[in-house]
Amino acid sequence: AQKVTQAQTEISVVEKEDVTLDCVYETRDTTYYLFWYKQPPSGELVFLIRRNSFDEQNEISGRYSWNFQKSTSSFNFTITASQVVDSAVYFCALRGGGSNYKLTFGKGTLLTVNP
Amino acid sequence: SAVISQKPSRDICQRGTSLTIQCQVDSQVTMMFWYRQQPGQSLTLIATANQGSEATYESGFVIDKFPISRPNLTFSTLTVSNMSPEDSSIYLCSVVGGQGSSYEQYFGPGTRLTVT
Repeated sequence: AQKVTQAQTEISVVEKEDVTLDCVYETRDTTYYLFWYKQPPSGELVFLIRRNSFDEQNEISGRYSWNFQKSTSSFNFTITASQVVDSAVYFCALRGGGSNYKLTFGKGTLLTVNP
Repeated sequence: SAVISQKPSRDICQRGTSLTIQCQVDSQVTMMFWYRQQPGQSLTLIATANQGSEATYESGFVIDKFPISRPNLTFSTLTVSNMSPEDSSIYLCSVVGGQGSSYEQYFGPGTRLTVT
């Protein structure tokens, strides 16, 4: 069975601080995909990144970076120099390989960035 | 990425009634799904909408309660039948395999349903 754990329920930071959102996953699949989504107060789910299990390169996109470590089954997300607009719920999700496209979501982390 | 629209964006319904939610994609996609997000909770897959055949439901969800149609590769509907307050949720359409992408998974803006 697939499982995603986001241990941080809520995080509150002050603008310009760096913040890391943790994600730990469990799967028996050898091929799998990891995702991060952002859900602002408006409710839509915004795709941020997909990472394949066979690609452990970390990725940076502007102020966002992702650290994928298979050895610890973690896929952490860091926001550098946080801004008020980063305030949202962030979900980590896992999808197995093959033809099963079901996403298993973590419970989400509510990030509040205060001015 | 695929552009996904949903109608209605929100609705308030009385218990015992039914609501049909539409999902329209701007390009043909391989897979379409329906997810539910109960208040303050994470997302749960309801079913995979199969084009031209019956949807595939996850454990805990049944066709009589959540009938789904997918007549073509760009459109699907989800009906929430005989609603109760416990059905108050955000319902999201999701797609895989849009133009230029076979692995990314995108979500529609959601339909916020309140049952009174």
